[in-house]
Amino acid sequence: GENVEQHPSTLSVQEGDSAVIKCTYSDSASNYFPWYKQELGKRPQLIIDIRSNVGEKKDQRIAVTLNKTAKHFSLHITETQPEDSAVYFCAASVGGGSNYKLTFGKGTLLTVNP
Amino acid sequence: GAVVSQHPSRVICKSGTSVKIECRSLDFQATTMFWYRQFPKQSLMLMATSNEGSKATYEQGVEKDKFLINHASLTLSTLTVTSAHPEDSSFYICSAPSSGGANEQFFGPGTRLTVL
Repeated sequence: GENVEQHPSTLSVQEGDSAVIKCTYSDSASNYFPWYKQELGKRPQLIIDIRSNVGEKKDQRIAVTLNKTAKHFSLHITETQPEDSAVYFCAASVGGGSNYKLTFGKGTLLTVNP
Repeated sequence: GAVVSQHPSRVICKSGTSVKIECRSLDFQATTMFWYRQFPKQSLMLMATSNEGSKATYEQGVEKDKFLINHASLTLSTLTVTSAHPEDSSFYICSAPSSGGANEQFFGPGTRLTVL
């Protein structure tokens, strides 16, 4: 089955700096790669996603890049703010039927220091 | 986006009792729903795939007789933790995929289970 590795497990940055979180996946059939932000005790919140037919996607301060050949994808947050502090999870899935199921990385605790 | 609800949001029970958690898609139909478990400071681990009108598919290592799943309608899936023990204490989250092959999943708010 799919295996998703995520690094780093913790990341501390100063407000205004950029943060980068990297993930690798094992199943070359995976074609959907979402990123979630989770605050303590709450549901994961989708912040950006990318499909395998696209190499990069940007939404304001957040961007995701995908390298299908190397099977890795990354989350980039620019101009970080204290409210960006949370746990971030990457995930991968193969679309269609029960293959919609997501395999998550272990998460990255991001701390943005004011 | 679509809305998924869960009930209860928090439950405390005694060891040996059974607990039922409901997951509802409020404004869309879901033939498939997913149940995840998340221990403190860990990631979401898929437990099972709930299929409307048929048996659930369990991930390796998840006891199907302990975690009973019923998906009786297109908007409701239930997870029953039978004979709960303290090690079952966790955050249980359900999700449902969007329709139309868009891949996006909509998560419920989660249920915090504490077994004493």
